Amino acid sequence: KAGVTQTPRYLIKTRGQQVTLSCSPISGHRSVSWYQQTPGQGLQFLFEYFSETQRNKGNFPGRFSGRQFSNSRSEMNVSTLELGDSALYLCASSSGQGAEKLFFGSGTQLSVL
Amino acid sequence: TQLLEQSPQFLSIQEGENLTVYCNSSSVFSSLQWYRQEPGEGPVLLVTVVTGGEVKKLKRLTFQFGDARKDSSLHITAAQPGDTGLYLCAGDLSGGYNKLIFGAGTRLAVHP
Repeated sequence: KAGVTQTPRYLIKTRGQQVTLSCSPISGHRSVSWYQQTPGQGLQFLFEYFSETQRNKGNFPGRFSGRQFSNSRSEMNVSTLELGDSALYLCASSSGQGAEKLFFGSGTQLSVL
Repeated sequence: TQLLEQSPQFLSIQEGENLTVYCNSSSVFSSLQWYRQEPGEGPVLLVTVVTGGEVKKLKRLTFQFGDARKDSSLHITAAQPGDTGLYLCAGDLSGGYNKLIFGAGTRLAVHP
């Protein structure tokens, strides 16, 4: 089974721009969660999608948004980028029946200049 | 405010030594997971503990969930250089909706 695929692997943007990150979950998984990882704050939950619906949301500003498609692939979007948005963005997929088996992708490393 | 306090933050030991990593919280978790993350990769799930007092073993790794489901520990026996990495604990407050609260992590270095 192929693992969780995140694209792109690296991204460099400037302040004020927007960015879209993509995540393809493991085949058959219906839940995709997004996390932000920074050296200072560690891993923080952004949101979770299940069957195209946002099921849970973390404490991030509205500039962070996401969506899920009918094939379970998910995208997250960050608008009006700030320097503090520089981070590793990780997505994780699971069957959606519980948090017991969460599989993470390798992440997208976003640098905001 | 860190909901899940993980300690120690750094650990540098020699091959063959034992070590314990702790995760503590004032919150009750429906489950708690331990991950290991290597540079440039996403975290990889090691174990999930669900029942208070539960102990799980994975070769030289022993995981324990506190009776009150507020704390957990990871014990590694006879550490090897291959154990080097970032160890993360993560608690589930959402009852299975994948909204995990992560500890800050323990960066372990095992020297030959």
